[in-house]
Amino acid sequence: KNQVEQSPQSLIILEGKNCTLQCNYTVSPFSNLRWYKQDTGRGPVSLTIMTFSENTKSNGRYTATLDADTKQSSLHITASQLSDSASYICVVSDRGSTLGRLYFGRGTQLTVWP
Amino acid sequence: EADIYQTPRYLVIGTGKKITLECSQTMGHDKMYWYQQDPGMELHLIHYSYGVNSTEKGDLSSESTVSRIRTEHFPLTLESARPSHTSQYLCASSETGQATATNEKLFFGSGTQLSVL
Repeated sequence: KNQVEQSPQSLIILEGKNCTLQCNYTVSPFSNLRWYKQDTGRGPVSLTIMTFSENTKSNGRYTATLDADTKQSSLHITASQLSDSASYICVVSDRGSTLGRLYFGRGTQLTVWP
Repeated sequence: EADIYQTPRYLVIGTGKKITLECSQTMGHDKMYWYQQDPGMELHLIHYSYGVNSTEKGDLSSESTVSRIRTEHFPLTLESARPSHTSQYLCASSETGQATATNEKLFFGSGTQLSVL
């Protein structure tokens, strides 16, 4: 069964600290993996998109890594800011159908305290 | 910033009412989607469209219907709302014509939070 599991479910850190969010998936065949940031009451916004040949991709203070062999990805946030408080969603796409189905994780709820 | 708009942002209605959630995008995207999301849960695809006059049901069974008469407009309709329809509804669009394109970016609207009493 194709699934995307994220951990931790929630995380609280102090402003300025770093953190790493995890994503494990069982989606096969694999096409790409995306990380989205979703502020409360808003739609998700894309942070990174990685294919199986990419190990790492950065977007400002956000760095995503991908290990296609172990089917794991992480999102590292450096020098956190209050505005980083949001849900971070891992999304995996397969290439087994014409739709290229997207499998969504439940997200990690990050809270940054001053 | 994505140019995809959803109205209303919040809607509280009584059981049995007919409602239409609006979604419009100004990016000329062919593909559009409707997702349903409950708090702390993953997004579920309920409808999608590859272009004008194309609509398909998604993975999650939904009593809603959609239409795609114009490229930029993808409204979702509930003929008779029930409390079980209470949820957040997110509209999205994507820029490529190939579903499996690796750089296909999905743009989301801000969502409509629907509460049915």
